[in-house]
Amino acid sequence: GAGVSQSPSNKVTEKGKDVELRCDPISGHTALYWYRQSLGQGLEFLIYFQGNSAPDKSGLPSDRFSAERTGGSVSTLTIQRTQQEDSAVYLCASSLRGTGLGNTIYFGEGSWLTVV
Amino acid sequence: QQPVQSPQAVILREGEDAVINCSSSKALYSVHWYRQKHGEAPVFLMILLKGGEQKGHEKISASFNEKKQQSSLYLTASQLSYSGTYFCGTERNFGNEKLTFGTGTRLTIIP
Repeated sequence: GAGVSQSPSNKVTEKGKDVELRCDPISGHTALYWYRQSLGQGLEFLIYFQGNSAPDKSGLPSDRFSAERTGGSVSTLTIQRTQQEDSAVYLCASSLRGTGLGNTIYFGEGSWLTVV
Repeated sequence: QQPVQSPQAVILREGEDAVINCSSSKALYSVHWYRQKHGEAPVFLMILLKGGEQKGHEKISASFNEKKQQSSLYLTASQLSYSGTYFCGTERNFGNEKLTFGTGTRLTIIP
């Protein structure tokens, strides 16, 4: 597609439920990133994919968070047993080959998650 | 490890200039600048690479002092459309492959 596409754009869930957030990167981009942005805060790195593998998962806050990427394209971020502190905007981004080659990353519009 | 941005917030009148700074305590390979408007995705502005290469926006300039691990973004003759929160993202090493973003600088331009 023309840009990074994320769904759902908004999600309200009850505490304790599981949620899945989907990201469809720009076609041909091998690198994919998930970031989290709490209200009025900066961008917190969660995980980085190169192809289908995740060489850097260091930002995942707890074992309730997991992510996968299939076919070198679509990625899903799963949050199990959601807590109120998980409420945030979850931003997906993609890059042609990764920032190490001076490539920029392009962000999606984000998935706004509210846990009540 | 998170870069520090200054100022945290600034209010300018249309036409005035602004400088936004980004500092790291670690050596950097590259600095990326983004602008985010409320409720929207961050939008790429500029990349500065170790060695002096720059890629970016025609109307925005920036510097990267490798020795001081600092970058500055220069906004001249500001327009109302420049309003938003500016983030720097830093990459420590070639191949680090992720950006660590600063705390953000909120810029408000008033007529």
